Amino acid sequence: AQSVTQPDIHITVSEGASLELRCNYSYGATPYLFWYVQSPGQGLQLLLKYFSGDTLVQGIKGFEAEFKRSQSSFNLRKPSVHWSDAAEYFCAVGAQTGFQKLVFGTGTRLLVSP
Amino acid sequence: GAVVSQHPSRVICKSGTSVKIECRSLDFQATTMFWYRQFPKQSLMLMATSNEGSKATYEQGVEKDKFLINHASLTLSTLTVASAHPEDSSFYICSANPIPGMFQETQYFGPGTRLLVL
Repeated sequence: AQSVTQPDIHITVSEGASLELRCNYSYGATPYLFWYVQSPGQGLQLLLKYFSGDTLVQGIKGFEAEFKRSQSSFNLRKPSVHWSDAAEYFCAVGAQTGFQKLVFGTGTRLLVSP
Repeated sequence: GAVVSQHPSRVICKSGTSVKIECRSLDFQATTMFWYRQFPKQSLMLMATSNEGSKATYEQGVEKDKFLINHASLTLSTLTVASAHPEDSSFYICSANPIPGMFQETQYFGPGTRLLVL
């Protein structure tokens, strides 16, 4: 069974600074990997996804993530954080079979300081 | 495109009543929808997979008689919390996989329904 670890519960970044959110997964085969963002009281919005091919994936809102098979990681990055990026970020892994069940990490709450 | 709606967005009910939550894919069809539960400041936990035209598949530990799922059409799935109790209070989120085909790449999430049982 697949699993996801997001080791950082909270991260505080100054506005304009760079950001990296960590995600490690466990899955026996090639995974589908996703990053979602959730604003307070809202559903989830897809930032980006990786299925195959180029291991550096570009997403919306200036985010990118890099799949590193050797490290079982899929870290999310943004070169310059905006105050509106403050939210909860979830990494998720899906199996490449069946009905695309997703397993989510515990999330990382991003705080942006002025 | 790929918008999923949920209704209601918020519901408060008395203990012992049943609550129905609707999940609709507005601009696409979905043979498969998923229901998640999220406790405050926690991750999403998959409750069940809803399949159009067949019975839902529940995750281990989820009471199928408590959380009734009906996938009535390719654009609508409903979750009914039967005889709700305060411990059922939570944020319920649905998602949907667009068709065609069984191996879909992306789940699109609804905005969630906050249930408070008094």
